[in-house]
Amino acid sequence: GAGVSQTPSNKVTEKGKYVELRCDPISGHTALYWYRQSLGQGPEFLIYFQGTGAADDSGLPNDRFFAVRPEGSVSTLKIQRTERGDSAVYLCASSLSKGGEQYFGPGTRLTVT
Amino acid sequence: GEDVEQSLFLSVREGDSSVINCTYTDSSSTYLYWYKQEPGAGLQLLTYIFSNMDMKQDQRLTVLLNKKDKHLSLRIADTQTGDSAIYFCAEIPLRGSSASKIIFGSGTRLSIRP
Repeated sequence: GAGVSQTPSNKVTEKGKYVELRCDPISGHTALYWYRQSLGQGPEFLIYFQGTGAADDSGLPNDRFFAVRPEGSVSTLKIQRTERGDSAVYLCASSLSKGGEQYFGPGTRLTVT
Repeated sequence: GEDVEQSLFLSVREGDSSVINCTYTDSSSTYLYWYKQEPGAGLQLLTYIFSNMDMKQDQRLTVLLNKKDKHLSLRIADTQTGDSAIYFCAEIPLRGSSASKIIFGSGTRLSIRP
């Protein structure tokens, strides 16, 4: 079956602009996660959804970052007033339920110029 | 706190064994994981070990866990060129509100020389 998909695969934006990154989880997976991977680092947790609600957003670095999952399936990560330090690969993962194996998407590479 | 540490690079000769080491700080984790990341590919769960086990073997992979020292290792026997990748040690601490976020190390880049 289809895995986790993320769009776009690459996004280049100018400093100060707004961006949206999309994640399509595996069908039927109730849990969805966003991670950010900077160059040379491991992925860092941003936010976790169980269904439509954000169960843990402790990893969001500041209030410029926001994520939604309105129907409990597709999720969008939104970044306002982008900064060069936001440049990274943004990874999405989904699992059948909380605590289940997380399946990762290929990521969106965000470059802020 | 939550922290996972591993060395950044490892170079081995093709056919030799590779051993990648990791230390972690949170003793509440039920499972400890090894993920593999290849260029252009997604992060892939390679293997995992339950925290009450000392060792797990899966074909060419052997995971050793020393819970007292909070030390985890991954041994790859008969290393092949296809094993070239970045390997991440990871844990899911049970403390905290979600108890689902994965804490990753910085990754060990494994390169294979002929």
